[in-house]
Amino acid sequence: DSGVTQTPKHLITATGQRVTLRCSPRSGDLSVYWYQQSLDQGLQFLIQYYNGEERAKGNILERFSAQQFPDLHSELNLSSLELGDSALYFCASSVDGRADTQYFGPGTRLTVL
Amino acid sequence: GENVEQHPSTLSVQEGDSAVIKCTYSDSASNYFPWYKQELGKGPQLIIDIRSNVGEKKDQRIAVTLNKTAKHFSLHITETQPEDSAVYFCAASWDNFNKFYFGSGTKLNVKP
Repeated sequence: DSGVTQTPKHLITATGQRVTLRCSPRSGDLSVYWYQQSLDQGLQFLIQYYNGEERAKGNILERFSAQQFPDLHSELNLSSLELGDSALYFCASSVDGRADTQYFGPGTRLTVL
Repeated sequence: GENVEQHPSTLSVQEGDSAVIKCTYSDSASNYFPWYKQELGKGPQLIIDIRSNVGEKKDQRIAVTLNKTAKHFSLHITETQPEDSAVYFCAASWDNFNKFYFGSGTKLNVKP
């Protein structure tokens, strides 16, 4: 158990809908990362937050947004969902904002029908 | 941006044999190369990493080698055990380690 928690574990929804994925970092970690793992594109970095502020951005679509709250938990919002958004979404956290010290959560499996 | 290619996509070995997974990267500025193991239903877990100022690093049965000139790095697992069965990802990073670019993954199956 990495100490990073993600809810829900599974999410099934329809095209056009909006969902929110939640991540709680390890105790003491200030930074949160979001990744998307799909069958055809592998594991892709989406976005990073450090102590509430956006620090780095990867291949995140405009339909997706994220934020990190004062208690350091983070939410990833996915809107206008398409079939291709079906994937595993991982959150990772690190204490110092460096990805080389990140720990991954168990992921949320999103299925868009 | 960085492009990381990983081979093979699947690898099947007999217990006790060695396994080698190879990755190439495109950006010569990349200077940090981690390897992750992902077991079924779990998130990736860092198993070993190497920085560009080092050519080889070992940790018990696993080792990583880096050839900066050729821009490739490899994961070596010796004396494989069934519990080594998992998907392994390589990654490359620069930009103060904030962004990782992952390979496509190798599914390793160790047959008892």
